[in-house]
Amino acid sequence: DAKTTQPPSMDCAEGRAANLPCNHSTISGNEYVYWYRQIHSQGPQYIIHGLKNNETNEMASLIITEDRKSSTLILPHATLRDTAVYYCIVLGRFGNEKLTFGTGTRLTIIP
Amino acid sequence: GAVVSQHPSWVICKSGTSVKIECRSLDFQATTMFWYRQFPKQSLMLMATSNEGSKATYEQGVEKDKFLINHASLTLSTLTVTSAHPEDSSFYICSATPLAGSTDTQYFGPGTRLTVL
Repeated sequence: DAKTTQPPSMDCAEGRAANLPCNHSTISGNEYVYWYRQIHSQGPQYIIHGLKNNETNEMASLIITEDRKSSTLILPHATLRDTAVYYCIVLGRFGNEKLTFGTGTRLTIIP
Repeated sequence: GAVVSQHPSWVICKSGTSVKIECRSLDFQATTMFWYRQFPKQSLMLMATSNEGSKATYEQGVEKDKFLINHASLTLSTLTVTSAHPEDSSFYICSATPLAGSTDTQYFGPGTRLTVL
C-alpha cells in the first residue's frame, strides 16, 4: 500500500472549516484514499473514501487532486466533538484488506 | 447500521491469567475481522487477520500462541490473551467488513482496555 504523509497536529476554531491535508505521491491507479478518525479512547470511525472524484457525505468532503498525489479532508463546520486523530490511508477497494495506520493528524478544535 | 461491539470494554487482571475479548458484528455478517493493539500515544498496530472458519493470519512479531484468535461464526471473533503480563496492557480494537452490500470499508469496535497487574 502507498505511504501517506500528514502533519502531526493542527488547530481549528470552532465553527470554522477544518482542512486536513494528506500526501500520497506513490498511490497507484486502483488504490483509494480512506479517512478515519479516532476520538480519544475509542475505536476508529470511518469518515469517507474516494478514488479520484471529490466526495461528500454527511460528515465531510474529500478533495483529491487531479494527479491523485494528495488529498484534503474538509470538515465544513468543526465542533468540539471533532477533536480527534485523523488518519489518511491508501489501499485497494475491498474492505477486507488490512489497514495500516500511520501517525495521523491530531486535530484540536478550539472554542 | 454496521455496528461492531466489543466485550468487555475494560478488564483488569493479574499477571499470568488469561483474558478473552469478544468482537461482534451486531447487524451484519463479516467473513473477515481484524485485531489491532494500541499502546498509549501510539497508532494502531495490526495484530492479526481473522477469517471465519479458518486459522488467523498473524502479523510479524505477534505470537500466535499467546494471542489466540477464534472466528467461529460470521458475527463473532474472540481474542484470548494467554498468560498475560504487564507488557500486554494495551487498548485492543477489532474491526469487521460486511460480507455483502455496497459498503467496502471496515467498521471498528469501541475497543477493550486491558490492564495487567
